[in-house]
Amino acid sequence: QVQLVQSGSEMRKPGASVKVSCKASGYTFTHFSLNWVRQAPGHGLEWMGRINTRSGIPTYAQDFTGRFVFSFDASVNTAYLQINSLKAEDTAFYYCARDLQDWYSDFWGQGTLVTVSS
Amino acid sequence: DIQMTQSPSSLSASVGDRVTITCRASQGIRNYIAWYQQKPGKAPKLLISSASRLESGVPSRFSGSGSGTAFTLSISGLQPEDCATYYCQQFYTSPTWTFGQGTKVEIK
Repeated sequence: QVQLVQSGSEMRKPGASVKVSCKASGYTFTHFSLNWVRQAPGHGLEWMGRINTRSGIPTYAQDFTGRFVFSFDASVNTAYLQINSLKAEDTAFYYCARDLQDWYSDFWGQGTLVTVSS
Repeated sequence: DIQMTQSPSSLSASVGDRVTITCRASQGIRNYIAWYQQKPGKAPKLLISSASRLESGVPSRFSGSGSGTAFTLSISGLQPEDCATYYCQQFYTSPTWTFGQGTKVEIK
C-alpha cells in the first residue's frame, strides 16, 4: 500500500537550517510528483509547491521562494524539504503529499513539526 | 491569484443532521476543486475530487457539487467521526494550488 513516512520533529534556533525527509513506498517513486504543504499551529493549509520526481524540476508557490528548497534521492525513494535562515514564523507542521497530475494529493505523510525558537 | 473562501468558518450540528459547507472561488474554476478532511492531529485526507467524484472508501454520506465559482460539500447524516476541519482546494491554476481557510465541524 502507498505510504509516505516523514522524519521526526525538529527544533532549531532562528537563522539555522532544517531538512525534512519524506520516504515513499508502495508505488514507483518517479511516477508521481510530491507536494509540500505547511500548516502553522491552529491555522489552515498552505501549498508550498512540488517537486517533479521524473524531471527534477521544482515549482514553488509565491510565498515560498528563496529560503525553501525541494529535492529528492530516487535511489532511496525519498524527497526532502530544506528550509534555510529559519524564522519563528516557520514554526509549523510540514506535510508531503503524493501528487495526481498536478491536480490534488491522494496520499499524505504524517507531518513533521518544525519548531523555531531561541 | 484565485482566492477560495469557505463558509461558515465553523459549525455545530447534531448527529444525523445534514451539513453543508460552501466554497466560493474569486473567479471561475470550472469543476477543478477537491475537498479534504483533517481530523485533529492527523494529516488531511482526500474526500472528493473534480467537485463531485467521491474517492474510494469515502462514505456515501459525503457529496460534492458545484461548478464555476460556487461549490458545496455536504454530509447527509452527520456522524461523530465526521468531527474535523474540511478544506477546499482549487487546481484550475495548476500547477499552482490554493486552499480555502477551512471549516471546522463539531457535534452539538
